[in-house]
Amino acid sequence: QLQLQESGPGLVKPSETLSLSCTVSGGSISSSRYYWGWIRQPPGKGLEWVGSMYYSGSTYYNPSLKSRVSISVDTSKNQFSLKVTSVTATDTAVYYCGSGGDSSSWYAMDVWGQGTTVTVSS
Amino acid sequence: QSALTQPPSASGSPGQSVTISCTGTSSDVGGYNYVSWYQQHPGKAPKLMIYEVSKRPSGVPDRFSGSKSANTASLTVSGLQAEDEADYYCTSYADSNIVIFGGGTKLTVL
Repeated sequence: QLQLQESGPGLVKPSETLSLSCTVSGGSISSSRYYWGWIRQPPGKGLEWVGSMYYSGSTYYNPSLKSRVSISVDTSKNQFSLKVTSVTATDTAVYYCGSGGDSSSWYAMDVWGQGTTVTVSS
Repeated sequence: QSALTQPPSASGSPGQSVTISCTGTSSDVGGYNYVSWYQQHPGKAPKLMIYEVSKRPSGVPDRFSGSKSANTASLTVSGLQAEDEADYYCTSYADSNIVIFGGGTKLTVL
């Protein structure tokens, strides 16, 4: 059974780069059965799609974040990562990694990490 | 792309049914059968309840059902139980390979 776990700094300074990793267990990051993605939730607010990456290597990002966001895969560590550059206080949120694919849908996530809180503050 | 529109709150008594709506446009909800619904309890990660408009993942009770008409999708919870009290979010695939979320609906079991 696929399981995901986020990791990364809980505090990032304004204008710096937020970097998070999601470690995959119970399945291969290279499998064509899955796609990988990130969702975030600012304090007290709703969920926001950040971006997704597919087996083909194609990546898609929220247009409101597109110029600052990138998702990549590290097959040696069975991880995928998120980078958000030039962060501001509005990037403060709980960040979730997730996965979907042929077990459910290519546009829904049926496996989620527990979430990691990132605060942007000097 | 604008967020999908959901009512901020909904409520019902135990055993009753409640329906939560999710309104988009022809570029998202109305144009694709890729509407999903998530349940989120406080402090927890979201849980997929419905995908591709009306399909239920394994383990989700059949009290939860989804449907769509034109640009509006709906989640119906039948036989309300106390544990159904949570926030519910709809999402949809949209033009240009993006995913849009609704603002969320807080479901209260009276």
